[in-house]
Amino acid sequence: AQSVAQPEDQVNVAEGNPLTVKCTYSVSGNPYLFWYVQYPNRGLQFLLKYITGDNLVKGSYGFEAEFNKSQTSFHLKKPSALVSDSALYFCAVRGGAGNMLTFGGGTRLMVKP
Amino acid sequence: GAGVSQSPSNKVTEKGKDVELRCDPISGHTALYWYRQSLGQGLEFLIYFQGNSAPDKSGLPSDRFSAERTGGSVSTLTIQRTQQEDSAVYLCASSLQRDRGLEQYFGPGTRLTVT
Repeated sequence: AQSVAQPEDQVNVAEGNPLTVKCTYSVSGNPYLFWYVQYPNRGLQFLLKYITGDNLVKGSYGFEAEFNKSQTSFHLKKPSALVSDSALYFCAVRGGAGNMLTFGGGTRLMVKP
Repeated sequence: GAGVSQSPSNKVTEKGKDVELRCDPISGHTALYWYRQSLGQGLEFLIYFQGNSAPDKSGLPSDRFSAERTGGSVSTLTIQRTQQEDSAVYLCASSLQRDRGLEQYFGPGTRLTVT
């Protein structure tokens, strides 16, 4: 069985500071990892994914994520946070029957001016 | 192009009534997924369709839940005899194919409230 953990329910950062949202995973075989963002009363929007290749992947809105196989982590990062980045972030792994997404519990990012 | 659409956006129903939730996937996407987002359970997989094949129903929480996909496109999720614990946001997603490396695109969801 595959699983994803997001250890922080909420992350608070000041605008302009770097941000990190943590994610660890457990899968058998190669991981296919995704980050999604959810704004209030909206569906999930795809940010970025790791399939293979470079451990640092770049995505939408200036976000990037670092894949670390030895630590089974896939942390989301951004060099300079914006107030508009405040949202709910989900890490997910795709696999299993039908290759559905298995999500972490989500992390609420609050960026303060 | 058009994204995944869902209707209704909000549904309030009385306990015991049946409800139908609709999903229109992105044109050409063969894989369609239903998920449920609730405060207590987070985001959980419900059911998966690939083209015209039989669906994978392994995530459905009870036999009151069913879904169909007509013509390999539009899908309907039906909940019979709704219970208060069914209150959640129901999200539909589609993917070009079922390949693990492909992202899924989500609709805005249907917020179901059972009173």
